Amino acid sequence: GAVVSQHPSRVICKSGTSVKIECRSLDFQATTMFWYRQFPKQSLMLMATSNEGSKATYEQGVEKDKFLINHASLTLSTLTVTSAHPEDSSFYICSARGRRASPLHFGNGTRLTVT
Amino acid sequence: GQQLNQSPQSMFIQEGEDVSMNCTSSSIFNTWLWYKQDPGEGPVLLIALYKAGELTSNGRLTAQFGITRKDSFLNISASIPSDVGIYFCAGQPSNNAGNMLTFGGGTRLMVKP
Repeated sequence: GAVVSQHPSRVICKSGTSVKIECRSLDFQATTMFWYRQFPKQSLMLMATSNEGSKATYEQGVEKDKFLINHASLTLSTLTVTSAHPEDSSFYICSARGRRASPLHFGNGTRLTVT
Repeated sequence: GQQLNQSPQSMFIQEGEDVSMNCTSSSIFNTWLWYKQDPGEGPVLLIALYKAGELTSNGRLTAQFGITRKDSFLNISASIPSDVGIYFCAGQPSNNAGNMLTFGGGTRLMVKP
């Protein structure tokens, strides 16, 4: 079945530094990838939609300069949390879709802790 | 973004019991998906539904796409301890040109051995 790999699974960084999270589709080409954020005991909150070769579309309230998204190829999208603050600590999950009608498959998530 | 109304929010059941959870929406959906999320991991797709009235099974799991296209349910029969986790419904509204999913708030399932 479709596999989405997300790396790293956990990262701890200091305030003010930047962190890059990678999302790869391993056995299919993903024209669209999505980035979610999840707070404890809550549902997934869509942050942005990443389309290969074009700018990401951000949801309302998500700072595009803080959460930089790059989707340079059909199998890789990256999310960079810039100038991280403790309130950016969260669980970040990517997902990818191949063909338009195919279901969404998720990565295993990245637990970010900013100290 | 918009959330689907998923219920119940949590369930604490005895091993062997059947479980039922559902999602409803005021909008019409083209696709309903059910995911399970274990702690510290990403959601894993359980069942995908594409047609109104569709009833699909995956082992002990059964899900249906409501006839009105505004609801879906997931049943788990003869629950076992490894069924513990959070179950999310997700749907693609019919008016969604961006293929984005709307998620339910999740149902936290706890199973007592």
